[in-house]
Amino acid sequence: QQQVKQSPQSLIVQKGGIPIINCAYENTAFDYFPWYQQFPGKGPALLIAIRPDVSEKKEGRFTISFNKSAKQFSLHIMDSQPGDSATYFCAARVNQGGKLIFGQGTELSVKP
Amino acid sequence: GAVVSQHPSRVICKSGTSVKIECRSLDFQATTMFWYRQFPKQSLMLMATSNEGSKATYEQGVEKDKFLINHASLTLSTLTVTSAHPEDSSFYICSARYPNTGELFFGEGSRLTVL
Repeated sequence: QQQVKQSPQSLIVQKGGIPIINCAYENTAFDYFPWYQQFPGKGPALLIAIRPDVSEKKEGRFTISFNKSAKQFSLHIMDSQPGDSATYFCAARVNQGGKLIFGQGTELSVKP
Repeated sequence: GAVVSQHPSRVICKSGTSVKIECRSLDFQATTMFWYRQFPKQSLMLMATSNEGSKATYEQGVEKDKFLINHASLTLSTLTVTSAHPEDSSFYICSARYPNTGELFFGEGSRLTVL
């Protein structure tokens, strides 16, 4: 019940395309859902995060869509660029004091 | 965003020796820090939660005597891998919880190679 399931495992898109990464969870006590971007050999960096009282959040080219009833959330990257090629992780947390549970990760490759 | 620094970024050691990795929150005080381990092409696995001034809380299956965690100040947590073996070779990443918001900021990671 503590798991966060992420798909796909890998994704290849052309420059300008809109990759979509999906995550699903079971624990309804989760109240914070961040997305992280990780480049090889580096630590993850927070991209964007959402709370369950909001259905969508946009920051720049990154958008999170959140479906509370389906217990799913997704990341959309608009006008993707080769520099967006990285591994993306979704995560979830029970409360501000709780630990983050990470999804399995999606390796994104954006072809020029 | 807030800055979390890890040192060293890479370390190579001989089997049986101990290695210490530092995690510092540079521009904020963190009462809670977390240590993760990441194998190639895998997700981050939480090893332990480090609380300033108290004992760390370890996740199931993580040996507390092998992975010693000390959080002696509000800006520094250390992870010591004792009697390291080749199977301990991994990417170790720390994160620090930002006060009030609870956001987690991650360090750059430390690549440990045990020969």
